[in-house]
Amino acid sequence: GQQLNQSPQSMFIQEGEDVSMNCTSSSIFNTWLWYKQDPGEGPVLLIALYKAGELTSNGRLTAQFGITRKDSFLNISASIPSDVGIYFCAGQPNSGGSNYKLTFGKGTLLTVNP
Amino acid sequence: DAGVIQSPRHEVTEMGQEVTLRCKPISGHDYLFWYRQTMMRGLELLIYFNNNVPIDDSGMPEDRFSAKMPNASFSTLKIQPSEPRDSAVYFCASSKPPGLGRPAEQFFGPGTRLTVL
Repeated sequence: GQQLNQSPQSMFIQEGEDVSMNCTSSSIFNTWLWYKQDPGEGPVLLIALYKAGELTSNGRLTAQFGITRKDSFLNISASIPSDVGIYFCAGQPNSGGSNYKLTFGKGTLLTVNP
Repeated sequence: DAGVIQSPRHEVTEMGQEVTLRCKPISGHDYLFWYRQTMMRGLELLIYFNNNVPIDDSGMPEDRFSAKMPNASFSTLKIQPSEPRDSAVYFCASSKPPGLGRPAEQFFGPGTRLTVL
């Protein structure tokens, strides 16, 4: 099946720094989504992207849908301690029809030092 | 609005016992997904339903796993008999139909942490 390569696996940053993480795939995706998971909770949707080249912001978060439709990145600006968590990318494959399955990356563990 | 509700939040059982996990999707969502999360394999889709009908169960690991959705507001994932390798966090997620939103945008419940001894 399709694989998503998410990097980096983990990041340790100082409060106030900007963060960038990305996902790549060998296959085309129709939709890219970014989720955040806090300990003991389910993933929470941060941003959804639907068009190649689309750049979308949600507060301090910005994500882009790659032109080739095989990649996406997420930036977090001016990080704060509550940004700590695991960030997942997810893609909906270009398989047509009403297939709404998502493939998830392995996640990026973000630690923010105050 | 209430989010996806899962119960129990934690389950500890012994190998060979039957385990039933429960999920109530967000009202009005007609897609329901069951996932399993482990350190080794990450988030894996087990099965998903549309309008209470199973659409794709290719992720169900083996016959010990079964899922049902008897109505629009309730689904179960059953493991019988359970094994230690089934220990994981199981998530339920739901999404809106195409006419009311974007089905790819899945909303997750808090999960059930299953430990099989």
